[in-house]
Amino acid sequence: NAGVMQNPRHLVRRRGQEARLRCSPMKGHSHVYWYRQLPEEGLKFMVYLQKENIIDESGMPKERFSAEFPKEGPSILRIQQVVRGDSAAYFCASSPPRGPIEQYFGPGTRLTVT
Amino acid sequence: AQSVTQPDIHITVSEGASLELRCNYSYGATPYLFWYVQSPGQGLQLLLKYFSGDTLVQGIKGFEAEFKRSQSSFNLRKPSVHWSDAAEYFCAVGAARVSGGSNYKLTFGKGTLLTVNP
Repeated sequence: NAGVMQNPRHLVRRRGQEARLRCSPMKGHSHVYWYRQLPEEGLKFMVYLQKENIIDESGMPKERFSAEFPKEGPSILRIQQVVRGDSAAYFCASSPPRGPIEQYFGPGTRLTVT
Repeated sequence: AQSVTQPDIHITVSEGASLELRCNYSYGATPYLFWYVQSPGQGLQLLLKYFSGDTLVQGIKGFEAEFKRSQSSFNLRKPSVHWSDAAEYFCAVGAARVSGGSNYKLTFGKGTLLTVNP
C-alpha cells in the first residue's frame, strides 16, 4: 500500500514563474490537506480539499495561491508569480473519509525561488 | 483558535538516557492530540495520537505520551533514547469542523530538535 506521494521532491523556480506541486493521496483516502513549513517554524495549515471541493482554505494566502483536487488525478497546489518568500517545504497529507482519524503525510516538495 | 507551544527548541540527551519533550496546547474543547517525528529532508511520521479514553497512550518506536487536561499538556516520553531517535519532533492539535464530519486541520507547535550524544 503506497503512502502519500508528492512530486516533484525539489522544485526550483525563478521569481515570477509558476510552481505546480502534485499530491497523490493514499489509496482509499478522499481527503487531502496542504501544509507549508517555513524555516524554523512548524507546519502551517493551508487548505483542506475533498474530491472536487475546497472545504477549508482559511490558511491560503489571498493572492497567487490556488488548490484543486479533481475527480481524477492528483491534488494540485499552484503558486503563480512566485516570490522568494514562497521558498519553503510544502507537505501534503491525506486521510480516509470517516474518522476521527490521523493524517498521513507525504515526503514534501521543497520549493526554492531564485 | 487552537494553539500549541513546545517550550524547548533544542534538547540534547545521551544515548540510553530518558527523554521527555514538552507540549502545551490551547483549545476550547476536548482536543485531538498528536506527536509527529521528522527526520532531515523527510516527511512527518505519526508517533502516537490521543482521541479519548486512557490518558496514557503508547506509540511506535517505544514512545508514549500522557494527556493531562488540568495542565493542558501532552508530553512525549521515552525511557531509553537510541541514536536513531535524533530528529525533530512536532506536537499537534486537531479541531473538528463545526459543520460536521470528523476530519480536521492540524495546528502544529514549532518543533523540538533532539540531538543524541553517543
